[in-house]
Amino acid sequence: LAKTTQPISMDSYEGQEVNITCSHNNIATNDYITWYQQFPSQGPRFIIQGYKTKVTNEVASLFIPADRKSSTLSLPRVSLSDTAVYYCLVGDPNQAGTALIFGKGTTLSVSS
Amino acid sequence: KAGVTQTPRYLIKTRGQQVTLSCSPISGHRSVSWYQQTPGQGLQFLFEYFSETQRNKGNFPGRFSGRQFSNSRSEMNVSTLELGDSALYLCASSRQSDGSYEQYFGPGTRLTVT
Repeated sequence: LAKTTQPISMDSYEGQEVNITCSHNNIATNDYITWYQQFPSQGPRFIIQGYKTKVTNEVASLFIPADRKSSTLSLPRVSLSDTAVYYCLVGDPNQAGTALIFGKGTTLSVSS
Repeated sequence: KAGVTQTPRYLIKTRGQQVTLSCSPISGHRSVSWYQQTPGQGLQFLFEYFSETQRNKGNFPGRFSGRQFSNSRSEMNVSTLELGDSALYLCASSRQSDGSYEQYFGPGTRLTVT
């Protein structure tokens, strides 16, 4: 599985757009990029997954450049409830039995 | 649709004892994975079961074991508990057939070893 690097922490204010970048220089051809969110004392929650270009759902957008060596999770107009740890994962979801390998994640703190 | 359930939610054990944790996946999900989360090591993969077979295993000692039943429910056992086994144990289920890394996590079992 490709190793990922993301900022340890980020601060933001309510209503702002937050962009969290993840570096994955050794991403393989069959790898996808997946983001999870985790609140304290809860299990992680799947946010979004993508392979290339842009993916958008009701929660976030994921931007992936052509070389796929990095990706950016974009959270529009964050609120206090978006304060959480965000994990970037890279791997081939079609490979049977593949484990999710979580890094340290990015702790996002949203203030009013 | 009911989510992933884990029992018990909290557990206190003494060093040297053993413990069994239970996980019921979302209906229709055949893959169950277990993770350990501690402040120092973060989220670490323990093992994954699919159709009652262990398909993948993380780097944990043999004291950690698991199994999956025909109804996809899974149990995890830790024998000869050590203080360092105190952690949040998370179970996650997925369909494992749609090319997605989308796993659904339960609320976890908080294990304290004294």
